[in-house]
Amino acid sequence: DARVTQTPRHKVTEMGQEVTMRCQPILGHNTVFWYRQTMMQGLELLAYFRNRAPLDDSGMPKDRFSAEMPDATLATLKIQPSEPRDSAVYFCASGSQGLYTEAFFGQGTRLTVV
Amino acid sequence: DQQVKQNSPSLSVQEGRISILNCDYTNSMFDYFLWYKKYPAEGPTFLISISSIKDKNEDGRFTVFLNKSAKHLSLHIVPSQPGDSAVYFCAASAQSGGTSYGKLTFGQGTILTVHP
Repeated sequence: DARVTQTPRHKVTEMGQEVTMRCQPILGHNTVFWYRQTMMQGLELLAYFRNRAPLDDSGMPKDRFSAEMPDATLATLKIQPSEPRDSAVYFCASGSQGLYTEAFFGQGTRLTVV
Repeated sequence: DQQVKQNSPSLSVQEGRISILNCDYTNSMFDYFLWYKKYPAEGPTFLISISSIKDKNEDGRFTVFLNKSAKHLSLHIVPSQPGDSAVYFCAASAQSGGTSYGKLTFGQGTILTVHP
């Protein structure tokens, strides 16, 4: 049963702390997306990787957010320092390269910064 | 700059009737369109898609229509069922070359409620 796995599912942290969210894409998938769900913006794209190389992180606040893929089985999204406005659900999705293919989403990490 | 827009935040429909969810896009490079469904506390799941070479794609109770000249697509659910109650996201991507190839851009979502 192939699925995208995200950890942790829930995270409560204090303002100013570092937060790291992890994602294990589906084995064999070579594209990885990080999205943030907010009420006003829907699903905002934060970062997009193909073959572990970052292709687009224009949606990510560069001063505090960073995204990496240390290897093909792990993608990370880090926030340092975290702020209350970062509170949201963060989704990772993976897909395979090719025409007309969909992305598969993980269950998300609900982040609350107090 | 919202390239994919779902202008109706919510839609309420009676069981058995048709649900029509709408989506507009501005980027003429988009040539592949998808609909995702999302239940609370879960990630979005793929529902149906359409490429720009078609104007209609059907899968059971779900049909997606694409009007390229109007840059508009819609999802029809017939007949609607209470289990269809969820948030529906429209997404688009450009399948041609470049670094944005395959990148999915989503709309804000529409909350569908189907009443028994």
